[in-house]
Amino acid sequence: KAGVTQTPRYLIKTRGQQVTLSCSPISGHRSVSWYQQTPGQGLQFLFEYFSETQRNKGNFPGRFSGRQFSNSRSEMNVSTLELGDSALYLCASSSGTGGVGSYNEQFFGPGTRLTVL
Amino acid sequence: AQSVTQLGSHVSVSEGALVLLRCNYSSSVPPYLFWYVQYPNQGLQLLLKYTSAATLVKGINGFEAEFKKSETSFHLTKPSAHMSDAAEYFCAVSAPRAAGNKLTFGGGTRVLVKP
Repeated sequence: KAGVTQTPRYLIKTRGQQVTLSCSPISGHRSVSWYQQTPGQGLQFLFEYFSETQRNKGNFPGRFSGRQFSNSRSEMNVSTLELGDSALYLCASSSGTGGVGSYNEQFFGPGTRLTVL
Repeated sequence: AQSVTQLGSHVSVSEGALVLLRCNYSSSVPPYLFWYVQYPNQGLQLLLKYTSAATLVKGINGFEAEFKKSETSFHLTKPSAHMSDAAEYFCAVSAPRAAGNKLTFGGGTRVLVKP
C-alpha cells in the first residue's frame, strides 16, 4: 500500500497570503489528522476529519481551516499568513473506524514545510 | 486535559550503550501512550504503543517501553545504541474515552549517537 502523501513538500509564501496544503491518506483510511510542528511549540494538533466531518479540533485561530473530500483526501487552508505560521505541517491517516475506547494507528506523511517571509 | 513531559531535549549516547528516554504523562485516566521517531526531513514513525494490555511493550528496532501507572511514566529504552538510532523521539498520549484520533505530544528528545 502506498503511504500518506502530502503536497507540496515545500512552500514559500509572504505575510498576508493564504495557502492550501493537501494530504492523500492511505487507501481505505477515512480519518485524516493535521499537526503543526515548530521548534518553539513542538507538535500541536490542528484538527481531524472523518468521513468529511470535523471530529476533533485543536486550539488554533480561525485562520486555520480544513476539509475532507468524499475520497478521504484532505486539505488545510491558512489565511492571512503570519511569520509564526512557518512550520512543518504533518498529516496522519488512520482507518478511524474505532469509537470510544478503541484505537486506530495513525500513519504520518512526510510533511509540508511552509516558510512565511 | 492531558499533557506529556519528556525529560531532556538532547541525549548523547555512545554506540553500544543503553538508550533511555524519559516520558511522564498527566491524565485523569490511564491513557493510550506512544513513542514516535522522526528522522530528518521525514514524518513520524510509530515505534511502539501501550493501549492497556501488557505493561512492558516491545516495539520496532529493538526498542521497548514500560508503562508504570504509579509513576505516570512510559520511558523508552534500547539496550545497545546503533548509529542509525540518531533521530528525534516523541512521546505522545491520547484519551481512550474520546472518539477519534488526537495525539498530545511531548517536546521531543533528540538523540545523538557517538561512535
